[in-house]
Amino acid sequence: ETGVTQTPRHLVMGMTNKKSLKCEQHLGHNAMYWYKQSAKKPLELMFVYSLEERIENNSVPSRFSPECPNSSHLFLHLHTLQPEDSALYLCASSQVFGGRYTEAFFGQGTRLTVV
Amino acid sequence: QKEVEQNSGPLSVPEGAIASLNCTYSDRVSQSFFWYRQYSGKSPELIMSIYSNGDKEDGRFTAQLNKASQYVSLLIRDSQPSDSATYLCAVRNNYQLIWGAGTKLIIKP
Repeated sequence: ETGVTQTPRHLVMGMTNKKSLKCEQHLGHNAMYWYKQSAKKPLELMFVYSLEERIENNSVPSRFSPECPNSSHLFLHLHTLQPEDSALYLCASSQVFGGRYTEAFFGQGTRLTVV
Repeated sequence: QKEVEQNSGPLSVPEGAIASLNCTYSDRVSQSFFWYRQYSGKSPELIMSIYSNGDKEDGRFTAQLNKASQYVSLLIRDSQPSDSATYLCAVRNNYQLIWGAGTKLIIKP
């Protein structure tokens, strides 16, 4: 396994379902991110974990719940989503040392459709 | 509000020509600048990073940074049809990357 891997690649869920997105990085990084990408919009930062501590929760609705059990794994738990939550969800990782962050590398993304 | 601005395009360039992509940013204290390429339906892929004023070359790609003008650009020489994609400019502010909405580039054979 190399780089950053996300599963599943595609997900269709009803508004009453509960699902989880998984991300795993094999780069030895110690910071991980969740982004949302909607059509024609810049990437939106959702959550940041640095050294396994959440340091950013960018006004994300509580129906999105992140979990970072260790520096290699990141989850995004989803429940009672709305159709406007349909988007590409991207996981990324980078290295932080001395307070400085390196380039971010992305997983393949999960295309989420809420019906 | 920290912002990164890019022309959405599409920018159409003949095969073999130079493609020039531009980006401006609002936060003067930004230190790190990145160009990502994103094919339709795929995730962003890092192409270039630049940290100091001037030019940085990597193969057919050259990134240019002018901090006084708050301007960063990407030049693609000898453009190929495979270069057709959306190019995203990103500016780092501590742990955050501030993203532009991207420029769609089309290379015409």
